[in-house]
Parts: sequence; structure tokens; C-alpha cells
Amino acid sequence: DQQVKQNSPSLSVQEGRISILNCDYTNSMFDYFLWYKKYPAEGPTFLISISSIKDKNEDGRFTVFLNKSAKHLSLHIVPSQPGDSAVYFCAAPTTDSWGKLQFGAGTQVVVTP
Amino acid sequence: DVKVTQSSRYLVKRTGEKVFLECVQDMDHENMFWYRQDPGLGLRLIYFSYDVKMKEKGDIPEGYSVSREKKERFSLILESASTNQTSMYLCASSRGPNSPLHFGNGTRLTVT
Repeated sequence: DQQVKQNSPSLSVQEGRISILNCDYTNSMFDYFLWYKKYPAEGPTFLISISSIKDKNEDGRFTVFLNKSAKHLSLHIVPSQPGDSAVYFCAAPTTDSWGKLQFGAGTQVVVTP
Repeated sequence: DVKVTQSSRYLVKRTGEKVFLECVQDMDHENMFWYRQDPGLGLRLIYFSYDVKMKEKGDIPEGYSVSREKKERFSLILESASTNQTSMYLCASSRGPNSPLHFGNGTRLTVT
């Protein structure tokens, strides 16, 4: 049963505009969330994270928002650049002692000139 | 910078063959993981290891086994490859819970 869901498989956005990627989760015990970015033929790379004690975390052009009551988080990329074209995965560690990451299905972002 | 190296980028194997996927990390990380990535399914955890000779099943361990004889090396074994194991396999390591995972570049395995 997938506990982290990304319901939009793809997103196309114009260069310079905002990209908004959404992620929903079902386990209210999750307290930490991460976003990874993946280019073709490369492994995913860590992008940004947020703890459940915050509702926003910003790093340059990337901002993650967390709405705990809605069990929803979003990643904003402003302004979008062609190099942002990639697959973005939302993830959360399991609540057992191992903290294994559970990933969403991913959203393919295409930034057009 | 953490480096996770997977020994092969591409592999083509026949049904029934035994397949070894090797992964090495250079940052003395305790935890190592094997995921597979399939379109529409994201990354699914096959096995992980939190110490030498220790292993735990992930979400989809059937048809796979693992070996961790040294801290830096984590091997994924397909005992008898099947066509439904055609996938991108990703190895990762981390310091511990809530630490970001560092991934290798993946092995694209095709089983014919």
C-alpha cells in the first residue's frame, strides 16, 4: 500500500514560470519529508527536505510547503529553468527504527524555452 | 562528496540466469539499500542492510537476495532471473535514519 502519492505523472512549464509539484501522504506519523530529483541514466539526488515542525523550507529557487492537516506537501520551483527538466520524487522515512524511505511514483517535469 | 558506485550501467541476461549486481560506497555509511525503479511505480525497496552481515527485507524482496560481507559493499543477487525483473536497479547508502540517501547511477537490467 503506497503511503506517499504523487498523482501527477507529468508537468510542463514554460521557462521562467513557477513549477508546482504535489505530494500526498496517508500516514500521519510521518514527520520528515524529502524531495529527490532524477535525470535519465543517473541516480536520484537529494534536493530539499522539511521537518514536520515547520510548514515551509526554502533553498534558493526551491521551496517546500507542508500542510500537515491535509497530509499534503508541495515543491515550488521559481523561476523554472531548462535544467530543472527531470523526474521529481517525494519521499518520507518509515516510522520504524530503520527510517527506510518510501517514495512516490514521481512527476516528470519538462521546462520549455 | 559521497560516491556510490554500481559496477554495471547496463546488463542483459537470459531467463533463469543467476545475476549479481554490485555496489560500493566510499563514505563509511552504516546503511545500504537496493531499490528498483519502474515507470508509474516510483522507487520500491527490495532489501536494505544496517550493518555488515545484517539484512532486512524491503517491500518487494521476492526473487532477490543480498550479501554484505564488508561495510562498503552491498550486493544484490537474482537467483534465477525472470522477465518481470527487467528494471532499473538503484543502490544507495546513508549515515542513518532521516539522513538523505546517496544513490549510484543505476544498473539497467534487461532479462530476455
